[in-house]
Amino acid sequence: EEQLVESGGGLARPGGSLRLSCAVSGFSVSGYSMNWVRQGPGKRLEWLAYINDGSGQIFYADSVKGRFTVSRDDARSSVFLQMNSLTDEDTAVYYCAREALSGHWYFDLWGRGALVTVSS
Amino acid sequence: DIQMTQSPSSLSASVGDRVTIACRASRRIDTFLSWYQQSPGKAPRLLIHSASTTLGGVPSRFSGSGSGTDFALTITNLQPDDFVTYFCQQTYSRPTFGQGTKLDIK
Repeated sequence: EEQLVESGGGLARPGGSLRLSCAVSGFSVSGYSMNWVRQGPGKRLEWLAYINDGSGQIFYADSVKGRFTVSRDDARSSVFLQMNSLTDEDTAVYYCAREALSGHWYFDLWGRGALVTVSS
Repeated sequence: DIQMTQSPSSLSASVGDRVTIACRASRRIDTFLSWYQQSPGKAPRLLIHSASTTLGGVPSRFSGSGSGTDFALTITNLQPDDFVTYFCQQTYSRPTFGQGTKLDIK
């Protein structure tokens, strides 16, 4: 079964950092572009970051550019999101999502999400 | 960014009913529009991409239509598992999502 499982969520202080991991199983992550999407309480889904399957091309939403870093380790079947300088606006459920076709921006597989709470 | 507006935000219906959820883009996006289903605590599920292409394994009760700025998701013969939340996503540029439509049982 193809699956994405996020981990690494939890409580962080404002200004702090967290690193999310997305464990891939059931398919080879090397053939896919991967994304991170979040949903804050009472808010709509917000796309955050994209990492290409081949060239390593990376894009970020303006809201996280300079603070978040997406990376991948295909050998470990994993994708990561390093989150720094966290604020309470970053409180959300964070999802890892697979792009069905690179560059087409629709996501055919999602994880169940990891909850990140930023609070003092 | 392209803004996506769904209507209604919530909808009550009965098993067996037919419902339509609308999604409007702030500017023309051709047919670069996807629809997802999300149950509480579960991963979102892609139903439709390219406005009207239904994924394999998605029941034929689900259909999508529209182009330009106005789109619709129609669900016929509602089943109990369908009473969850649906949201649209534009894929014309870096993706943005609608606010979601919660479908509940009347």
